Amino acid sequence: GAVVSQHPSRVICKSGTSVKIECRSLDFQATTMFWYRQFPKKSLMLMATSNEGSKATYEQGVEKDKFLINHASLTLSTLTVTSAHPEDSSFYICSATSPPSAEYNEKLFFGSGTQLSVL
Amino acid sequence: DAKTTQPTSMDCAEGRAANLPCNHSTISGNEYVYWYRQIHSQGPQYIIHGLKNNETNEMASLIITEDRKSSTLILPHATLRDTAVYYCIVRSRTGTASKLTFGTGTRLQVTL
Repeated sequence: GAVVSQHPSRVICKSGTSVKIECRSLDFQATTMFWYRQFPKKSLMLMATSNEGSKATYEQGVEKDKFLINHASLTLSTLTVTSAHPEDSSFYICSATSPPSAEYNEKLFFGSGTQLSVL
Repeated sequence: DAKTTQPTSMDCAEGRAANLPCNHSTISGNEYVYWYRQIHSQGPQYIIHGLKNNETNEMASLIITEDRKSSTLILPHATLRDTAVYYCIVRSRTGTASKLTFGTGTRLQVTL
């Protein structure tokens, strides 16, 4: 079935460095992808909507200069956490919607998530 | 997107049916009901979705009330591997750009 691949699954970095997370749709073209953030024992919080070929749409309170999103192709969106700090440590999850079809029927598929730890 | 309310937690004995309720009283006519689950430290997994008719697949059944203000996800024979947080979400049917907004979900604990 349709798969969304997210990489890396876990990353540890020093404070002040930047970290890039990749999200790929493997079986379908995704004009729109979503990025979520999740703290321990909390629900997923939508950060931004990534649109292929255009600027991302950020949710209220999410710093666009801190969380850079690039959606350069129909199968790849990246999230870069710039100048990471310990408070950016979290579980980041991407998702993509399959196009309407008999097989996928507009399901939203999620990546396996990236656990970011900033020291 | 309409807001959903779910019980915070539920327990179910292994082998029994797990019935997870969801209230979405403000759902509009163009919104689907989606169910996802999340096992610890993994991305959410799609379970099932529906508009107004009851749906069944290899994982679960979805029962939507006639007025569409509530629904129930049924896992017919729960196993220990079904222990997870289950999210009920309503989402506009119009276009692939429609996002999912997660509520707090129900933490299902399946026990021996």
